Amino acid sequence: QVQLQESGPGLVKPSETLSLTCTVSGGSVTSGNYYWSWIRQTPGKGLEWIGYIYYTGTANYNPSLSSRLTISLDTSKNQFSLKLTSVTAADTAVYYCAREASDFYYYMDVWGKGTTVTVSS
Amino acid sequence: IVLTQSPGTLSFSPGQRATLSCRASQSVSSSYLAWYQQKPGQAPRLLIYGASNRATGIPDRFSGSGSGTDFTLTISRLEPEDFAVYYCQQYAGSPWTFGQGTKVEIK
Repeated sequence: QVQLQESGPGLVKPSETLSLTCTVSGGSVTSGNYYWSWIRQTPGKGLEWIGYIYYTGTANYNPSLSSRLTISLDTSKNQFSLKLTSVTAADTAVYYCAREASDFYYYMDVWGKGTTVTVSS
Repeated sequence: IVLTQSPGTLSFSPGQRATLSCRASQSVSSSYLAWYQQKPGQAPRLLIYGASNRATGIPDRFSGSGSGTDFTLTISRLEPEDFAVYYCQQYAGSPWTFGQGTKVEIK
């Protein structure tokens, strides 16, 4: 079955760039039926959708993050990635990647286990 | 679209019926409303999509209903493993948003 695994640094300094990668196994990021999404979770704000990318390269970002955010796809490695620039303590969160069905129904049916990112000097 | 889940915490005994509410700030097509369960230290797990369709492997004690701005998740008989936090999510308008969650705790 499809599995997702997040990877990246657990600690990022303020003002630097947060970079995470999600590796997909058991399925392909080039499947036309799915978006590939990032979500984060904090105790204060709960679950926050960050954005998604489609196999065509089309992306959709949360406007609250869009000026600092890039989501990209690497089909050769079956991965998708997130880059968030100029981070602050408010970006400290558990970051999840997920597969999002995008047909008649929309839902996130496969999630990674999540990775904790702390922004601190 | 703001999703409001109230109350924040519900207390039940195993075997009881639980009804959780999710109210949207504007109308959401049923096709674009999902429910998730999250246990401590775990990622959310899809329970219900399209407001009323159970995801693969989800027991039939879980059911969803509703339309427009009011949606409900019902757990007919609470099992010990059902005590968790439940979130609704909408995909009707970007950005997708989640409710703040309802914690179902053991009384």
